[in-house]
Amino acid sequence: EVQLVESGGGLVKPGGSLRLSCAASGFTFSLYNMNWVRQAPGKGLEWVSSISGSTNSYMYYADSVKGRFTISRDNAKNSLFLQMNSLSAEDTAVYFCARPTTIDYAQFDYWGQGILVTVSS
Amino acid sequence: EIVLTQSPATLSLSPGERATLSCRASQSVSNYLAWYQQKPGQAPRLLIYDASNRATGVPARFSGSGSGTDFTLTISSLEPEDFAVYYCQQRVNWPPITFGQGTRLEIK
Repeated sequence: EVQLVESGGGLVKPGGSLRLSCAASGFTFSLYNMNWVRQAPGKGLEWVSSISGSTNSYMYYADSVKGRFTISRDNAKNSLFLQMNSLSAEDTAVYFCARPTTIDYAQFDYWGQGILVTVSS
Repeated sequence: EIVLTQSPATLSLSPGERATLSCRASQSVSNYLAWYQQKPGQAPRLLIYDASNRATGVPARFSGSGSGTDFTLTISSLEPEDFAVYYCQQRVNWPPITFGQGTRLEIK
């Protein structure tokens, strides 16, 4: 059974940093491009970042986070990460990690439960 | 960036009725369009991919159609568990991946 479990969220002050993790299981993690999608309170879904699997080499970011967020992965530990720096109130959201239906695709059939990040003084 | 516009913003219907949700793209996305359902406090659930293919385990009352810039999600006969928010999402020439703003399907 595919499972994605996020951790690392919480309350952080404006300008602060936070590192999210996503623990994956139930599939060959290294092969799949992995993704972060966020949802501000009461708002819609916003794609944040994607990182390729072992058969490709890319890291993509939404313009809203480029230069502040860094996506990475540890295939040996089946884990995905999102390092978030220079956080502002606009980054307050539930962050989901998501797996695509097929390698290097961008439609997502498995999602984590989400982790809340609150940026506030 | 491709903008997806969903309509209506809110749709009020009764169980047993037919629901028709629309998603319009600012430029062609071919058939690279997906639909998701999201209930409060839950992650999105993939319903339809590549415009018209039902994801695993999705009931047959859900169907998707369209290509290019105009797409439709149809729920043939609403069940109580279908009342939720629905999002469309495109993946042509990503990044970026973009989502529509959502349609809230509420019980009348």
